[in-house]
Amino acid sequence: DIQMTQSPSSLSASVGDKVTITCRAGQSVSTYLNWYQQKPGKAPNLLIYTASNLESGVPSRFSGSGYGEGFTLTISSLQPEDFATYYCQQSYTSPWTFGQGTKVEIK
Amino acid sequence: VQLVASGGVVVQPGGSLRLSCAASGFSFEDYTMHWVRQRPGKGLEWVSLISWSGDYTNYADSVRGRFTFSRDNSKSSLYLQMNSLKTEDTALYYCAKEQNDAFDIWGQGTMVTVSS
Repeated sequence: DIQMTQSPSSLSASVGDKVTITCRAGQSVSTYLNWYQQKPGKAPNLLIYTASNLESGVPSRFSGSGYGEGFTLTISSLQPEDFATYYCQQSYTSPWTFGQGTKVEIK
Repeated sequence: VQLVASGGVVVQPGGSLRLSCAASGFSFEDYTMHWVRQRPGKGLEWVSLISWSGDYTNYADSVRGRFTFSRDNSKSSLYLQMNSLKTEDTALYYCAKEQNDAFDIWGQGTMVTVSS
């Protein structure tokens, strides 16, 4: 199985801050890397697919980059509704695996 | 576009359960579908997938041989038959649609509790 490791596991930030979350794969996953946002009590919501493609309806302050083993999710200007847990996930090979999550909290 | 999961209950270890997921608002028969679970307070774990035709399925090692994923395209429905349940199967189970190699639509989840 491909292990996905996110850093940090949690962070505190203020509204307006630029936030970067990193995801590292245990082996190359090419660009088969997706990012999700999950709020308490809700299902995850797809933000970015295949490393850098913004899902329809997702605000443009979210962006993704990377290839191979290293990826980043960037929120250019954190908004109050962005406080949530973020997960990366590889779809390069079965079993599809997720990172452990990064909780973004209010500073 | 909607997925509605149901069937989650409290069941004893060793018991069986069938989850369902009803799809609407898209051409269900065209898409690969998945189950993903989340243990209480924990992260996300992929469980299983089924091809658009139902001819191909794949499972996480943790459930292989105990869970069976099926679909009925005439009813736009998915089914997850769960046998020999273990306490570690306790989780919120989400059905999800695959598009562009990602889970683009998720159901609301149905809770399975395995406890004596």
